[in-house]
Amino acid sequence: DTEVTQTPKHLVMGMTNKKSLKCEQHMGHRAMYWYKQKAKKPPELMFVYSYEKLSINESVPSRFSPECPNSSLLNLHLHALQPEDSALYLCASSQPGTGNTEAFFGQGTRLTVV
Amino acid sequence: AQKITQTQPGMFVQEKEAVTLDCTYDTSDQSYGLFWYKQPSSGEMIFLIYQGSYDEQNATEGRYSLNFQKARKSANLVISASQLGDSAMYFCAKVPIDGQNFVFGPGTRLSVLP
Repeated sequence: DTEVTQTPKHLVMGMTNKKSLKCEQHMGHRAMYWYKQKAKKPPELMFVYSYEKLSINESVPSRFSPECPNSSLLNLHLHALQPEDSALYLCASSQPGTGNTEAFFGQGTRLTVV
Repeated sequence: AQKITQTQPGMFVQEKEAVTLDCTYDTSDQSYGLFWYKQPSSGEMIFLIYQGSYDEQNATEGRYSLNFQKARKSANLVISASQLGDSAMYFCAKVPIDGQNFVFGPGTRLSVLP
């Protein structure tokens, strides 16, 4: 199983809503990532979890809150988002400690904030 | 900060012909990995090919090959015998040897013409 599964695929939320994005992988990878991608731009790193511990936080606003409950799951909790947060949110996983293995990406969640 | 440059925002190629997508990068790392990903309009990031900075031979994967010139810090992707399904965004990415934090270039949109 070389899949990274993200749910939901599409999400529309109001600025006062609270929602969560979910990501799951069963490849035994111990590094998991959240990326944000605006239209016609490359993915931008938000968070990295390595062995279930937050290792990189790229100065992301606190309205985005990541969580890694176990080695297979990664969540992104959303609260009080702004319309400019509308984007494709990609989850990825890889094996840490070796720069020669690719990151596997999910299909992403297309988020629209209204 | 690490920077990945892809100088071709858009490229056109005739079906069945070969095309080269350019990628250059800044780094002071001694060891690192270079990756190419394809992103169709559906959004998922599809791994194509990997090159280690310490690899002496250029990587090949089916119709994809990588023209790696370490001294020039370039890692160009060559797609042979282009197919209509190759039309997509293509991203070059670099990762340090610890295997975290994939940094992406701005991407090249490839259009294959029938």
